Amino acid sequence: SQQGEEDPQALSIQEGENATMNCSYKTSINNLQWYRQNSGRGLVHLILIRSNEREKHSGRLRVTLDTSKKSSSLLITASRAADTASYFCAIGGPQGAQKLVFGQGTRLTINP
Amino acid sequence: KAGVTQTPRYLIKTRGQQVTLSCSPISGHRSVSWYQQTPGQGLQFLFEYFSETQRNKGNFPGRFSGRQFSNSRSEMNVSTLELGDSALYLCASSPITGFPYEQYFGPGTRLTVT
Repeated sequence: SQQGEEDPQALSIQEGENATMNCSYKTSINNLQWYRQNSGRGLVHLILIRSNEREKHSGRLRVTLDTSKKSSSLLITASRAADTASYFCAIGGPQGAQKLVFGQGTRLTINP
Repeated sequence: KAGVTQTPRYLIKTRGQQVTLSCSPISGHRSVSWYQQTPGQGLQFLFEYFSETQRNKGNFPGRFSGRQFSNSRSEMNVSTLELGDSALYLCASSPITGFPYEQYFGPGTRLTVT
């Protein structure tokens, strides 16, 4: 299955600390995307990384991709209470296929 | 630009009934996808519509169907509702240029089947 598997399932840290979430997958991919979801609401796109990229940054977010290990990680630096949410990795489909295959997500709690 | 909108936001139905959910994509986006989210199965792809045609389909029974109109608005329909259909249904739109595509999600419709 292409589905990403995320680790840990839940993470609780203090405000200001860094949070790292991992995603592993089983087959070759074209791209991998990270999304955030607050309390059962819609998903917000965070970062898209292509299979030929190794690292991308967006503000306090850093995503890495290791295709040899079939894994990706999302790092949130200097966490804030507002970062409390569920984070999902999703395997993007090939061109012409908008289908995203999501992992089960990591529930991140930032404690003040 | 206005974001993806979904109506209604909440819905309660009885087993055996049918339901229609609506999604209006971001202006200019021609691809609309639907996802089901449940605590047990997580986020699962239902189908994708592009230019009024179903282009991709997930592994759901035929009770789940959809359509897209010429203005790219989309509807999904679930017939003969079952308790297990209780879920958050998310719609996402994306542009068709600039592959790979990120998807922009609506707030979802929370369906409860009793």
